[in-house]
Amino acid sequence: AQSVTQLDSQVPVFEEAPVELRCNYSSSVSVYLFWYVQYPNQGLQLLLKYLSGSTLVKGINGFEAEFNKSQTSFHLRKPSVHISDTAEYFCAVSKEVQGAQKLVFGQGTRLTINP
Amino acid sequence: DTGVSQNPRHKITKRGQNVTFRCDPISEHNRLYWYRQTLGQGPEFLTYFQNEAQLEKSRLLSDRFSAERPKGSFSTLEIQRTEQGDSAMYLCASSTPRGGFTDTQYFGPGTRLTVL
Repeated sequence: AQSVTQLDSQVPVFEEAPVELRCNYSSSVSVYLFWYVQYPNQGLQLLLKYLSGSTLVKGINGFEAEFNKSQTSFHLRKPSVHISDTAEYFCAVSKEVQGAQKLVFGQGTRLTINP
Repeated sequence: DTGVSQNPRHKITKRGQNVTFRCDPISEHNRLYWYRQTLGQGPEFLTYFQNEAQLEKSRLLSDRFSAERPKGSFSTLEIQRTEQGDSAMYLCASSTPRGGFTDTQYFGPGTRLTVL
């Protein structure tokens, strides 16, 4: 069965500092990985996704993630965070159901940016 | 493209009452998904529609839950005889089939249900 583990439930960082949010997955088949962000009182927004090809994936808002098959990881990084990056971040793996996509999410990491 | 909309945004009800939520997907998106998100957890898949056909249901969707998409456009999720354990955020997402099961799902703002 496919599953996702987000290793940190909360990550506090100072503004303009770098950040890494960790995600490990388990899957016995081809893996398609996603990072979503959820701002307070809003739905989820796609940050980036890995389907195939280059293992370094660039997304919106300056975020990037690296797919590492040997370590079964897909960590999210940003070199310099802003107050506006305060949000909940979810890693997800895609599972095919009836030709469409069922997302299996991790428990989330709450990123708090301190001034 | 006005995004996925959900109504109501908040619903407070008493245990035992029935509630219905509505989701309007992005126009021309033929795939529609429902997820449930409890406090401190990631969203969990509930069900999926392709046009008006409900193709997949999670075991989380008990007999008290029913979802419809009668004309392949908007969808409703009804919970009968609500229980306190139903308190959660109910999220709707839609997508087009261009990428198959790697397509991007666009999420609505959610409906937060509180059962007293």
